[in-house]
Amino acid sequence: AQSVTQPDIHITVSEGASLELRCNYSYGATPYLFWYVQSPGQGLQLLLKYFSGDTLVQGIKGFEAEFKRSQSSFNLRKPSVHWSDAAEYFCAVGPPNTGNQFYFGTGTSLTVIP
Amino acid sequence: GAVVSQHPSRVICKSGTSVKIECRSLDFQATTMFWYRQFPKQSLMLMATSNEGSKATYEQGVEKDKFLINHASLTLSTLTVTSAHPEDSSFYICSARGGQGRFEAFFGQGTRLTVV
Repeated sequence: AQSVTQPDIHITVSEGASLELRCNYSYGATPYLFWYVQSPGQGLQLLLKYFSGDTLVQGIKGFEAEFKRSQSSFNLRKPSVHWSDAAEYFCAVGPPNTGNQFYFGTGTSLTVIP
Repeated sequence: GAVVSQHPSRVICKSGTSVKIECRSLDFQATTMFWYRQFPKQSLMLMATSNEGSKATYEQGVEKDKFLINHASLTLSTLTVTSAHPEDSSFYICSARGGQGRFEAFFGQGTRLTVV
């Protein structure tokens, strides 16, 4: 069965510190992996995506993620967090068939301390 | 990236009335649109999947007669909440996939529905 696990419900970091948000997935085929960010009362914005090729992918706002097939993980990282990064982050896995749904993790809420 | 516009962003309606939410893909043709419901501080719960020109596929436990979904064109899907009840108050989000080479989903801004 397809599933996505985000083990950390809530993370607090200081501004300027590094960040890593964890994501593990279970998927029956080669996954397409995504990270989305949601600000309060807003929709979801795509941060980055992995389809194939280089396992380290760069996204917007200085975020990057690394796909590790052996660990079934797709962790999101940022070297230096800004206060504006405070938001909810969702990891998702989806099939290449555009007619099928994504599977979302439960989300990680990020708080940034000045 | 592609743009998905959802309207309205906020709506308040009285119990028993119906409210329609629109989801438009502005610069690509969305072969598939998805409707989600999100409760406070929770993840997205898929309600239904709609393909242009065909009936929507509803997830288990979602009342299809209450949440009417129409995907009349490749750029527009609508969700109508009928006979609204305060329990229907929630945040509803649409997303769209489609277009050549586009595997990611693009999301609307969401609609905050309050039923009073």
